[in-house]
Amino acid sequence: EPEVTQTPSHQVTQMGQEVILRCVPISNHLYFYWYRQILGQKVEFLVSFYNNEISEKSEIFDDQFSVERPDGSNFTLKIRSTKLEDSAMYFCASSVLENNEQFFGPGTRLTVL
Amino acid sequence: RKEVEQDPGPFNVPEGATVAFNCTYSNSASQSFFWYRQDCRKEPKLLMSVYSSGNEDGRFTAQLNRASQYISLLIRDSKLSDSATYLCVVNVGSAQFYFGTGTSLTVIP
Repeated sequence: EPEVTQTPSHQVTQMGQEVILRCVPISNHLYFYWYRQILGQKVEFLVSFYNNEISEKSEIFDDQFSVERPDGSNFTLKIRSTKLEDSAMYFCASSVLENNEQFFGPGTRLTVL
Repeated sequence: RKEVEQDPGPFNVPEGATVAFNCTYSNSASQSFFWYRQDCRKEPKLLMSVYSSGNEDGRFTAQLNRASQYISLLIRDSKLSDSATYLCVVNVGSAQFYFGTGTSLTVIP
């Protein structure tokens, strides 16, 4: 069964450093998403991406964040200068259409020290 | 005002019990609705989509009431493996989704 994959599973970084989180969505899906979940809190929408551009983004997704689909399979989230409060689980998801069921990857746990 | 609201619980029920969760949403233009389950420190997994006519998948039944802007999930004959957090998810169109805080369920032997 096709699935969304994410790497790395855990990333530890120093405050102020740049991180890139990677995702491989399900191959025939057209919409890609990033979410974050701070420990003990709800899943929060960051951004959706379709046809090589951002479709929607939340208030959390400020200038420190960017997304890219550098090739036909990968979808990345870059945080330019990490802050302590960026520590969270980051989930990638994909869906066939914009209002369809989404399928989530296993997440990357980001720890900012 | 929160986009999606759920009773966080926890719900502690014995095996075999029937349990129901509700979720309300604020945006009347919301287009699609889902229930996901999330196990501790894992990704959300799709449980079922929620259709206007209501839908059932084995022991799980989902209902949507657009007039009152709420969604429900009914679990019959609870199993130990149903213990998880249940997330209500609402699509407000244009590839943007809102999650509720989740309702915690523990099924007790």
